[in-house]
Amino acid sequence: SQTIHQWPATLVQPVGSPLSLECTVEGTSNPNLYWYRQAAGRGLQLLFYSVGIGQISSEVPQNLSASRPQDRQFILSSKKLLLSDSGFYLCAWNQGEEKLFFGSGTQLSVL
Amino acid sequence: KQEVTQIPAALSVPEGENLVLNCSFTDSAIYNLQWFRQDPGKGLTSLLLIQSSQREQTSGRLNASLDKSSGRSTLYIAASQPGDSATYLCAVPTTSGTYKYIFGTGTRLKVLA
Repeated sequence: SQTIHQWPATLVQPVGSPLSLECTVEGTSNPNLYWYRQAAGRGLQLLFYSVGIGQISSEVPQNLSASRPQDRQFILSSKKLLLSDSGFYLCAWNQGEEKLFFGSGTQLSVL
Repeated sequence: KQEVTQIPAALSVPEGENLVLNCSFTDSAIYNLQWFRQDPGKGLTSLLLIQSSQREQTSGRLNASLDKSSGRSTLYIAASQPGDSATYLCAVPTTSGTYKYIFGTGTRLKVLA
């Protein structure tokens, strides 16, 4: 069966520090991978998606970036965090037009 | 541009009641619609996926319907239980030919024991 792992679960970082969130999927190959952000009281905002290794599409201009160094690994990064980067970050995957499966999320607080 | 609306934003019901959650979308040219459940501080759990050719899907006490022509979907929960308390979100794909999903802001459900 397929599983998705996302870590860390919580993270507190000072403004201006770097960020690296990692997501891995097991039990499938060539998945579509997604990074979403959920701000308090708001819906999910798609940040990046990837349909293959090295293929990254950005949905929202910002100081975040994403990379897919391996087929089932998706990384969200920032060189310098802003206060506005605080939020709940979710990684997800699916195959084609099938169901979306989400990781357990990372609660990021930038202070 | 696809937009998704969920009404009501919050709902509180006594245990055992049947209830309906609503989801509306502006562009009816979708190929599926998904319903998710989110517990506080957790990720989303997929509940049901309805293909554009289907009118409804059922899983246990959950039944989701889809009316593409009117841009609406409903999630019916039968015999609600306190364990059903969560936020329920619907999502539809964009119509730009990629697999990106647009989410509603959700309905926060509380089932009282």
